[in-house]
Amino acid sequence: GAVVSQHPSWVICKSGTSVKIECRSLDFQATTMFWYRQFPKQSLMLMATSNEGSKATYEQGVEKDKFLINHASLTLSTLTVTSAHPEDSSFYICSARLGMRDYGYTFGSGTRLTVV
Amino acid sequence: GESVGLHLPTLSVQEGDNSIINCAYSNSASDYFIWYKQESGKGPQFIIDIRSNMDKRQGQRVTVLLNKTVKHLSLQIAATQPGDSAVYFCAERNTNAGKSTFGDGTTLTVKP
Repeated sequence: GAVVSQHPSWVICKSGTSVKIECRSLDFQATTMFWYRQFPKQSLMLMATSNEGSKATYEQGVEKDKFLINHASLTLSTLTVTSAHPEDSSFYICSARLGMRDYGYTFGSGTRLTVV
Repeated sequence: GESVGLHLPTLSVQEGDNSIINCAYSNSASDYFIWYKQESGKGPQFIIDIRSNMDKRQGQRVTVLLNKTVKHLSLQIAATQPGDSAVYFCAERNTNAGKSTFGDGTTLTVKP
């Protein structure tokens, strides 16, 4: 089946540094990818939608300059958390839409970010 | 605004029993509904979906029921197994608006 590979699975970084999270679609072309944030025991919160070759669409309240999303190819989308602070510590998850239809999504395994 | 909520935050069942997880949604324009399972520290896994032109869909050991009249969605798991222990999320999608909303999640615990 369609697989999205997300790396790293966990990362610890110092305050003020930047962290890049990658999501790759392994056996399909992901024209659209979604980035979510999840706090402990809470639901997924959509941060942004990225379409290959165009700028990401951010949800209200999500800082574009802080959470940089790049979707330069049909198989790779990246989320860079810039100038990370402890409050950015969270579980970040990507998902990809399967094909052009608006049905069917697959998720990455998530990245646990801890900012110290 | 849109909201999707789950009736119960936790559910504990005996191994072998059937489980029913409920979900309420508020956007009548939602036309696609999905159930996900999330194990601790992992990303969500797709379980089953249903479109708004259906009221029931069955998978392997799972059944999703959709009642559009009362905006209610349920996930039934037959013969629940320890491996079914996880957090279950419902999600609704308004494909015209291109928006998905996730419920808060129900933690299912299966007792041996």
